[in-house]
Amino acid sequence: GDSVTQMEGPVTLSEEAFLTINCTYTATGYPSLFWYVQYPGEGLQLLLKATKADDKGSNKGFEATYRKETTSFHLEKGSVQVSDSAVYFCALRGAGGTSYGKLTFGQGTILTVHP
Amino acid sequence: NAGVTQTPKFQVLKTGQSMTLQCAQDMNHEYMSWYRQDPGMGLRLIHYSVGAGITDQGEVPNGYNVSRSTTEDFPLRLLSAAPSQTSVYFCATARQENTEAFFGQGTRLTVV
Repeated sequence: GDSVTQMEGPVTLSEEAFLTINCTYTATGYPSLFWYVQYPGEGLQLLLKATKADDKGSNKGFEATYRKETTSFHLEKGSVQVSDSAVYFCALRGAGGTSYGKLTFGQGTILTVHP
Repeated sequence: NAGVTQTPKFQVLKTGQSMTLQCAQDMNHEYMSWYRQDPGMGLRLIHYSVGAGITDQGEVPNGYNVSRSTTEDFPLRLLSAAPSQTSVYFCATARQENTEAFFGQGTRLTVV
């Protein structure tokens, strides 16, 4: 079945540092890829998405590129802020068979940004 | 516009008790689903529904029942709670099965 693997956390950075959170996936066909963010005490919010190979999703300074050849969707931000402290989830939506339409999530990465 | 509303936000149960987690949406979305979130495991799909009157099992359905009598509501029932069901539960909706998902704020359940 489909699976998503995220880099182990937690990640601790200083404000204005560069952020990368790695995400790789296994799936049949061409799934859609997502990054969700969860702030303390809240539900998940969609951060960005990409629906086909080489698409780049971007939002709030975060970017991720759908790399079919490496089955990856790494999240990056050039300069993090304290307000970016949250849990980040990589996810895919299945494209075929019994996985069609279903979201599969990675383990989540806790990001803490210090002033 | 409330979006996706989950109640209660917190609940403590004793082993063997039953309860229902409520999920209501006002976005007229056809697709609704329940996930549980456990440390180091991300979110796992429990049950889902593609429309009123239709439900199906996800990855971890054992110990949970659902029904979908209306478009707006998708309750999750625990018939006999077990400590292994201690988790944070999220309801999510989408316009259709393959479109963006919107999440509720979660219910933190502890079974002692």
